[in-house]
Amino acid sequence: RKEVEQDPGPFNVPEGATVAFNCTYSNSASQSFFWYRQDCRKEPKLLMSVYSSGNEDGRFTAQLNRASQYISLLIRDSKLSDSATYLCVVDEKLTFGTGTRLTIIP
Amino acid sequence: DAGITQSPRHKVTETGTPVTLRCHQTENHRYMYWYRQDPGHGLRLIHYSYGVKDTDKGEVSDGYSVSRSKTEDFLLTLESATSSQTSVYFCAISESANGPYEQYFGPGTRLTVT
Repeated sequence: RKEVEQDPGPFNVPEGATVAFNCTYSNSASQSFFWYRQDCRKEPKLLMSVYSSGNEDGRFTAQLNRASQYISLLIRDSKLSDSATYLCVVDEKLTFGTGTRLTIIP
Repeated sequence: DAGITQSPRHKVTETGTPVTLRCHQTENHRYMYWYRQDPGHGLRLIHYSYGVKDTDKGEVSDGYSVSRSKTEDFLLTLESATSSQTSVYFCAISESANGPYEQYFGPGTRLTVT
């Protein structure tokens, strides 16, 4: 099993919809979790950290489920500008998932 | 945006030649990293540095070496480039009192080995 796994997608979602995707991890001792977004042919950029109690930043909500060993990212009222690949990162080793590609359709 | 630059931004080289990629930061961050990104593999850590002259191997370090003689510069060297090293290379930095967290990436270097 890979250390970090993501559904590669693509997720094609109409503008204004809510979309969620998960990232599973194998190391139960993992402590640090992040979501990054990467636009086509650009560098990854930090979107948000994921805290144990869950956290929200505007239209974005990140959750951690330690029992099932996954983190999730929820995007509400999706915008065309949300189209990107979303990468999860787990642990001090900074292990990246392969990313989930999201396309918002007008 | 964090002050991170990479040079060159694009390079085409022949198999067997040495190649050095440079990462330069103006943030005075302690940690610096080199990743490669390939389709189907995502970002994979090559080497990282936790201070001047302090480096360690990552997941895919074979065929690569690094050096950090100054806080602001982290060099990645391919001693003898191979076609399997064709990739996009990203440098990243981070600074935390508790460890290497939240990273900021440079714009990337596209390397093609023919």
